[in-house]
Amino acid sequence: DGGITQSPKYLFRKEGQNVTLSCEQNLNHDAMYWYRQDPGQGLRLIYYSQIVNDFQKGDIAEGYSVSREKKESFPLTVTSAQKNPTAFYLCASSDGQGVNSYNEQFFGPGTRLTVL
Amino acid sequence: KNEVEQSPQNLTAQEGEFITINCSYSVGISALHWLQQHPGGGIVSLFMLSSGKKKHGRLIATINIQEKHSSLHITASHPRDSAVYICAVSFISNFGNEKLTFGTGTRLTIIP
Repeated sequence: DGGITQSPKYLFRKEGQNVTLSCEQNLNHDAMYWYRQDPGQGLRLIYYSQIVNDFQKGDIAEGYSVSREKKESFPLTVTSAQKNPTAFYLCASSDGQGVNSYNEQFFGPGTRLTVL
Repeated sequence: KNEVEQSPQNLTAQEGEFITINCSYSVGISALHWLQQHPGGGIVSLFMLSSGKKKHGRLIATINIQEKHSSLHITASHPRDSAVYICAVSFISNFGNEKLTFGTGTRLTIIP
């Protein structure tokens, strides 16, 4: 079955530690996204990648880093510089890129990160 | 920056009732998306529309571009429809890529 997988579903981290969240898709999509969801707020874009070996900062990139070495993978690292990392993190992907291209985004099941 | 407002924030209804969730946005868009988020957290895309109306089963989505408003309707609601419904609008950025702005969601609870 085609889709997006995220692991782990729940993640606990001690303050000051870096942690990497996994996102894999087998939909052959060019674009991938990382969002953060906090209670009472809409999803906010952390980073996105339109193509392999390229990524751009979203609206709240500080304290996060990403890589896009393979088309199917877009891991997100939450660094110790992120002041309030406890949140629900969602990965998404979409087909197509370029001007005047708007495409449905497919979401993964999410990872809930809790900093202890 | 586009602002997306949803109403109501919370909605509780009896099984079988007709449900309407509203979404308003502030600037021009390429498309509007309705998403469903179940308690486990995963999000499913229900509709993407840029004009008119779309229907899928008991779900209907409409959009009025001039009024910058969209509605999601659920007919013959069922407890399994209980979820958070999220409106998102997309526009093409100066870099040529699509950007989404999300509403805060409407939590729908259908009571048997």
